[in-house]
Amino acid sequence: KAGVTQTPRYLIKTRGQQVTLSCSPISGHRSVSWYQQTPGQGLQFLFEYFSETQRNKGNFPGRFSGRQFSNSRSEMNVSTLELGDSALYLCASSAGGATDTQYFGPGTRLTVL
Amino acid sequence: QKEVEQDPGPLSVPEGAIVSLNCTYSNSAFQYFMWYRQYSRKGPELLMYTYSSGNKEDGRFTAQVDKSSKYISLFIRDSQPSDSATYLCAMIRNSGNTPLVFGKGTRLSVIA
Repeated sequence: KAGVTQTPRYLIKTRGQQVTLSCSPISGHRSVSWYQQTPGQGLQFLFEYFSETQRNKGNFPGRFSGRQFSNSRSEMNVSTLELGDSALYLCASSAGGATDTQYFGPGTRLTVL
Repeated sequence: QKEVEQDPGPLSVPEGAIVSLNCTYSNSAFQYFMWYRQYSRKGPELLMYTYSSGNKEDGRFTAQVDKSSKYISLFIRDSQPSDSATYLCAMIRNSGNTPLVFGKGTRLSVIA
């Protein structure tokens, strides 16, 4: 089975711009979660989508949003980028059960200048 | 106080050493515990997944959970340079679909 894929792998943007990141889950997985990873804060949960519905949301401002399509692929969008948004953005997919294993993609490295 | 505390290291050990990595947590609702390994420029990969208190062994890796002390550990025996990575503990509550909560990760270097 192919693993979780994320595109693009690297992005450089300037403050005030917006960005869209994409995640394709493992075939058959219906849950996609997004995380932000920084050296200072570690891995922080952004949100989770299950069957095209947001099921959980972390403590991030409304500039961070996401969606999931009927084929379980997911996108996250960050509007009005700030310098502090520079991070590794990881997505993870699972079958969707509360304790199912989450499998991570390689991440998208976003740099905001 | 953060829900999950993990010493960020870095931790440097000689090849062949036994490595001990630890996390403490404050919320007794956490019932499922995981250890992920993350190599540089890669996403985390699951190493161990445990539920009950006690030990679980998989090759050179042993995960230990002590729910009474709210303390989990990962032991690596006969450490190899290929074990050099960041190790993240993660945990999840028993009820509802709640997200994983991660420690900040411990950076390990195994020197040949």
